[in-house]
Amino acid sequence: KAGVTQTPRYLIKTRGQQVTLSCSPISGHRSVSWYQQTPGQGLQFLFEYFSETQRNKGNFPGRFSGRQFSNSRSEMNVSTLELGDSALYLCASSLGGGLSGANVLTFGAGSRLTVL
Amino acid sequence: AQKVTQAQTEISVVEKEDVTLDCVYETRDTTYYLFWYKQPPSGELVFLIRRNSFDEQNEISGRYSWNFQKSTSSFNFTITASQVVDSAVYFCALSELTGGGNKLTFGTGTQLKVEL
Repeated sequence: KAGVTQTPRYLIKTRGQQVTLSCSPISGHRSVSWYQQTPGQGLQFLFEYFSETQRNKGNFPGRFSGRQFSNSRSEMNVSTLELGDSALYLCASSLGGGLSGANVLTFGAGSRLTVL
Repeated sequence: AQKVTQAQTEISVVEKEDVTLDCVYETRDTTYYLFWYKQPPSGELVFLIRRNSFDEQNEISGRYSWNFQKSTSSFNFTITASQVVDSAVYFCALSELTGGGNKLTFGTGTQLKVEL
């Protein structure tokens, strides 16, 4: 059973540019969540999508956005990149139904973004 | 708001020593879930255990054991006879059922180094 796949694994951008990261969840998983990991702030929740709808959102500026497609694949976009956006972006998938807070999240290996 | 505190930033032990990683949480909800994840150098968060707020039984899985004490809001993780392969960053996380969806609040993590 394939795990959560994130692409690209590494990327370098310059300030002001935008970036799109992709996440393919485990087959059958309908929920995809995104987290940002930095040395200073640790792991922080960005947003969660379930059946193509944003179900939960963290405290990030509007430059951070996402979407989910009908096949549950998800993308997140960061516009007008800032130096502070340099981070490991982790995607996680879960079944998403029932007591959703109880779901076990399966994480991908992450996309490491460096902003110069 | 919920909060997870992992006061130990880094722990170094010699192989075969036992080590306990501390986790203290804060939440106003009576129903919640606690998790432990392991992050090896590859970056992918690996699920270790999930415990709901109504189940205070301690759990043992091989060399791993978990002590959940609701009275002190703690969910500590012990590795018995540590091995070099246990070297990783370990995260404790809290998920609440109110608000819906999957949203984990992570602690800052404990870097465990197991040396020969």
